[in-house]
Amino acid sequence: EIVLTQSPGTLSLSPGEGATLSCRASQSVSGNHLAWYQQKPGQAPRLLIHDTSNRATGIPDRFSGSGSRTDFTLTINRLEPEDFAVYYCQQYGSLPRTFGQGTKVEIK
Amino acid sequence: EVQLVESGGGLVQSGGSLRLSCAASGFSFSTYWVAWVRQAPGKGLEWVANIGQDGNELYYVDSAKGRFTIYRDNAKSSLYLQMNSLRVEDTALYYCVTDQRGAFDYWGQGTLVTVSS
Repeated sequence: EIVLTQSPGTLSLSPGEGATLSCRASQSVSGNHLAWYQQKPGQAPRLLIHDTSNRATGIPDRFSGSGSRTDFTLTINRLEPEDFAVYYCQQYGSLPRTFGQGTKVEIK
Repeated sequence: EVQLVESGGGLVQSGGSLRLSCAASGFSFSTYWVAWVRQAPGKGLEWVANIGQDGNELYYVDSAKGRFTIYRDNAKSSLYLQMNSLRVEDTALYYCVTDQRGAFDYWGQGTLVTVSS
């Protein structure tokens, strides 16, 4: 099973700042099949990025993904008030599909 | 508009059973893989099971094998999860999701399963 470790656990930032979230895999993610999700309190998660760097439908271009093999990054440029949420990475290169434990982006 | 509406959650004693349902609309259900993902209260996300378009390919997380059964009825655009031998640690919000080659692109609002000891 691939274990995904996200860091930091919490990121305290102000609107307008940039955010860099990390997701490290315990072994190489096949095909770089890695996704990122955003979850706000009381809501279901929303797919942001799939296949490491492809934005899902309707996702603004301030969200970008990068990385390969075991190290992946979600970058959010110029945080908007609606971007403060919890972010999860997920690998789907092998079974079982696994998620990271999440990074909370909070308002400083 | 894609809609996934889960139902069937509730309070059950340890060792009991529940069947979750998910009614899908707004897309061609029979052409999609679909899955269940759960989230324990205040915790992260965990993939539980997924199923291929015709129902013949099934995969489960180890903790669900032998206890949970995922199945679908394409004529009714519905997904199900039969959960037997429930444990306290199965307590979670269960989401029905579409599975696009492994990334979960549409999510329902979830149905809460609470297993008491």
